[in-house]
Amino acid sequence: DAGVIQSPRHEVTEMGQEVTLRCKPISGHNSLFWYRQTMMRGLELLIYFNNNVPIDDSGMPEDRFSAKMPNASFSTLKIQPSEPRDSAVYFCASSFSGDGNQPQHFGDGTRLSIL
Amino acid sequence: AQTVTQSQPEMSVQEAETVTLSCTYDTSESDYYLFWYKQPPSRQMILVIRQEAYKQQNATENRFSVNFQKAAKSFSLKISDSQLGDAAMYFCAYRVTSGTYKYIFGTGTRLKVLA
Repeated sequence: DAGVIQSPRHEVTEMGQEVTLRCKPISGHNSLFWYRQTMMRGLELLIYFNNNVPIDDSGMPEDRFSAKMPNASFSTLKIQPSEPRDSAVYFCASSFSGDGNQPQHFGDGTRLSIL
Repeated sequence: AQTVTQSQPEMSVQEAETVTLSCTYDTSESDYYLFWYKQPPSRQMILVIRQEAYKQQNATENRFSVNFQKAAKSFSLKISDSQLGDAAMYFCAYRVTSGTYKYIFGTGTRLKVLA
């Protein structure tokens, strides 16, 4: 079975550019999470969706960040305009929220470098 | 608010020996789930083991086992017969059973395995 699929795996761009990260959750999962991982701050939850609806976006650092989930099989995290401090690994994870014992399954992450 | 604490930023273990990684958490909930994730240098987040709070029996997965002490709010991971492939960051995570679907992650413990 396919796991959580993220693209791109690596992204290098100049500051000020728009960056779009993509995620395809596992089929049948109804919760989706976006995380950011840095050495300084560890693993931070940015936003999560349940049944395509954003439930908690309190972790989104500022208005430059936005996330959408137009359907059950796709989500995007957008940064516009990007800044060097946004450089990090961004993970998408999905789970089935109907059973709390079900763990989150993570994608391989996108390593983002803003020059 | 729930918190998860991993007090050991780094641990080392000799190959074939046993090591225990500690995790404590704070919650007022009575029912919840706990997880250990492993993140090797490839940066994938891999589920190692899970524990349901209402189960008194400690979870075991091959060489990995937990010591779950609910009253002490402690959830340590024991790795027996350590192998070079066990070298990774290990994250402890907590999830409530209902309501919010999000996980709370600890800051991680880096495990080094010495040949």
